[in-house]
Amino acid sequence: EVQLVESGGGLVQPGGSLRLSCEASGFAFSFYEMNWVRQAPGKGLEWVSHISSNGITTYYADSVKGRFTISRDNAKNSLYLQMNSLRDDDTAVYSCARESSAYDQGGFDRWGQGTRVTVSS
Amino acid sequence: SYELTQPPSVSVSPGQTASITCSGDKLGDKYVCWYQQRAGQSPVLVIFQDSKRPSGIPERFSGSNSGNTATLTISGTQAMDEADYYCQAWASTTVVFGGGTRLTVL
Repeated sequence: EVQLVESGGGLVQPGGSLRLSCEASGFAFSFYEMNWVRQAPGKGLEWVSHISSNGITTYYADSVKGRFTISRDNAKNSLYLQMNSLRDDDTAVYSCARESSAYDQGGFDRWGQGTRVTVSS
Repeated sequence: SYELTQPPSVSVSPGQTASITCSGDKLGDKYVCWYQQRAGQSPVLVIFQDSKRPSGIPERFSGSNSGNTATLTISGTQAMDEADYYCQAWASTTVVFGGGTRLTVL
């Protein structure tokens, strides 16, 4: 069974840092491109970042560029999001999402349950 | 930056057809995906590449995309289809989600 399990969320003060993790199981993680998507309380989905299967290519939303860093360790079947200089508006549930490998732009076919990040003083 | 616009809400009676639109500049030139998010749950991919259904998604879900508008159509809507629906597309090196549409089955 495909599973994506996020961890690392919590309460952090503005300007602080957090590192989120997403542990994958049930599929060949190293072959899949991965993303982080967040959802602020009562709001819609917001894409955060993308990483290629080999970790070389990364993309970021303008709202997090220069503050967040996506990375992965294929040997550990894990995806990460290092979040620095956190702001109040970064408060959200952060989920990792797998991109379909069977089709070009085939969508995010598996999602984790998410980990909650609250930025507040 | 690229934007996708959805109506905030759509209502439908059980058994009827619901249509949810997603608008963006020359959206027909891009692939569109649709996600269903039931209350308190993670999103589920229901349509990819404009009109393809992933395994396990009921046939009553269909999609189209042309010009500036993509449409998710749910035929014979059931109570279990009540959820938030999001369109999504790639714009160069970024992923864009629409603002979401709450489908209410009255």
